[in-house]
Amino acid sequence: EVVLVQSGAEVKKPGESLKISCKGSGYSFTTYWIGWVRQMPGKGLEWMGMIYPDDSDTIYSPSFEGQVTISADKSINTAYLQTSSLKASDTAMYYCARRSDYGDYSSFDIWGQGTAVSVSS
Amino acid sequence: QSALTQPPSASGSPGQSVTVSCTGTSSDIGRYNYVSWYQQHPGKAPKLILYGVSKRPSGVPDRFSGSKSGNTASLTVSGLQAEDEADYYCCSYAGSNNRVFGTGTKVTVL
Repeated sequence: EVVLVQSGAEVKKPGESLKISCKGSGYSFTTYWIGWVRQMPGKGLEWMGMIYPDDSDTIYSPSFEGQVTISADKSINTAYLQTSSLKASDTAMYYCARRSDYGDYSSFDIWGQGTAVSVSS
Repeated sequence: QSALTQPPSASGSPGQSVTVSCTGTSSDIGRYNYVSWYQQHPGKAPKLILYGVSKRPSGVPDRFSGSKSGNTASLTVSGLQAEDEADYYCCSYAGSNNRVFGTGTKVTVL
């Protein structure tokens, strides 16, 4: 079964850093792009960026470039989303998702279960 | 890059059809046939239901269909069922390796 499993919920204070993970299994992890999507409480989906694990080629949404770092360790089939100096406005659910091989650059066919991040003093 | 525009809500009775629009620009929906749609139930991860404007992944009922005209894509759910009540999001490739989601539409089955 093709699965993406994300790390557990995080509770952080403003100014702290965060690194969440997304581990793939059941498919060739290195040859599919992995994207990250933010969903703030009660709000819509926002595409943050994506990484190609085989060579760590990374693309960022202009809205998130410089604010987050996406990385991957292909030896353990895991992608990461990292941010430093958290703010309360970073409180959100973060999803990782596999870009499909359907030939549609916008489609993500496998999603992780989400990682809830809460930032509060 | 601004979010694609969707109506906040749409509704229909069981068995009826509901159509959700997704309006972008000539730089995203209008330029590329890379439009996908996602269904999200409360507390759950999104699920891909359409890609390439109108194609369905394996396992998605043919009650879900998609189309595009100009800068607007549309999702139609025919024969509404209770389990179709969810939030729906469109997504488009926007060039320069960028993607943009829609604002989301809550579909209610009356």
